[in-house]
Amino acid sequence: KNQVEQSPQSLIILEGKNCTLQCNYTVSPFSNLRWYKQDTGRGPVSLTIMTFSENTKSNGRYTATLDADTKQSSLHITASQLSDSASYICVVSANPGGYNKLIFGAGTRLAVHP
Amino acid sequence: IAGITQAPTSQILAAGRRMTLRCTQDMRHNAMYWYRQDLGLGLRLIHYSNTAGTTGKGEVPDGYSVSRANTDDFPLTLASAVPSQTSVYFCASSVQAGTNEQFFGPGTRLTVL
Repeated sequence: KNQVEQSPQSLIILEGKNCTLQCNYTVSPFSNLRWYKQDTGRGPVSLTIMTFSENTKSNGRYTATLDADTKQSSLHITASQLSDSASYICVVSANPGGYNKLIFGAGTRLAVHP
Repeated sequence: IAGITQAPTSQILAAGRRMTLRCTQDMRHNAMYWYRQDLGLGLRLIHYSNTAGTTGKGEVPDGYSVSRANTDDFPLTLASAVPSQTSVYFCASSVQAGTNEQFFGPGTRLTVL
């Protein structure tokens, strides 16, 4: 069964600190993996996309990694800001027979405190 | 430039009532989607449309219907709402079906009593 599991469920950190969010997936056949940021009361917005051959991708203070062998991805946030408070959703795309099917994780809720 | 808009923002509805959630995009995207988001669960696909005039069932389609008369609009209808349909509903679109960057609307919070 295609699944995406994220950890931790929630996280509280102090402003300026770093943190790492985890995503484990059992999705086949794997197409790509995307991290979304969802602010409270808003729709998700894409942060990064990673394909099978990519190990690391950065977007400002956000760095995503992908290990396709162990089927794990992480999202590292550097020097956190109050505006980083949001839910972060890992989305894996499967491609069974040419159709892209998205499997969403439940998200990690991050709170950055001053 | 609005992107994707949804209406209403929130709604409280009596069980058994009919309700249509509206979704409009101005990006000329071919594909559109409806998801529901429940606490502790990932977004789940209700229905999708790969192009105007076509629709398909997602993971949780029961109790919902959609239509796609034109490129811009993709309304979601609950024919007879039930409390288990209490959720936050997101509309999304992508340039093409299979292009997996989806752009999401702001959501509609629906409560069925």
